[in-house]
Amino acid sequence: KQEVTQIPAALSVPEGENLVLNCSFTDSAIYNLQWFRQDPGKGLTSLLLIQSSQREQTSGRLNASLDKSSGRSTLYIAASQPGDSATYLCAVLSGSARQLTFGSGTQLTVLP
Amino acid sequence: SQTIHQWPATLVQPVGSPLSLECTVEGTSNPNLYWYRQAAGRGLQLLFYSVGIGQISSEVPQNLSASRPQDRQFILSSKKLLLSDSGFYLCAWSSPSKTQYFGPGTRLLVL
Repeated sequence: KQEVTQIPAALSVPEGENLVLNCSFTDSAIYNLQWFRQDPGKGLTSLLLIQSSQREQTSGRLNASLDKSSGRSTLYIAASQPGDSATYLCAVLSGSARQLTFGSGTQLTVLP
Repeated sequence: SQTIHQWPATLVQPVGSPLSLECTVEGTSNPNLYWYRQAAGRGLQLLFYSVGIGQISSEVPQNLSASRPQDRQFILSSKKLLLSDSGFYLCAWSSPSKTQYFGPGTRLLVL
């Protein structure tokens, strides 16, 4: 059974810092990996999707990498802003039924 | 473009009462549909998924059930709510093997 772990559980940084969020998964037979953002009390917003054949994806200040063989992904946020404060979730798509398995998230606070 | 709707946005229900949460998708046909729950302080957990009308797969044993009466309608139900059913319920859709798109969610509080 696929398991996804995210560390750290919470992170607080001053504005302008670059930061890295980590995600690991136990079964490397994945179709893709997604990073989501969740604001308090709201639904999920998909940030980046990395297919299993890809190594990284970039969108603006965000860069996500994938090392499928080691079961790891990182989300790099450059020049963090207070508006980046949210919970970031990592999820992998795997299994014959193509299900998403989520990590428990990293709660990010960017201090002005 | 595709959109996904969930209602209600917030719901407060007494223990033992029934539940019906609805999710509808527009702008696509034959989507895969999913129900997730996020309990307080915990990650998202897949509850049910459906690949077609009347086809429901359950991921975890629980007090809830799901139905798909129409291609783009997915309903989450319970006959008698428990305190542990409180949480944030998210519906999602995807075309097969593609990214999932999530609805705005329903916050359920069982008292």
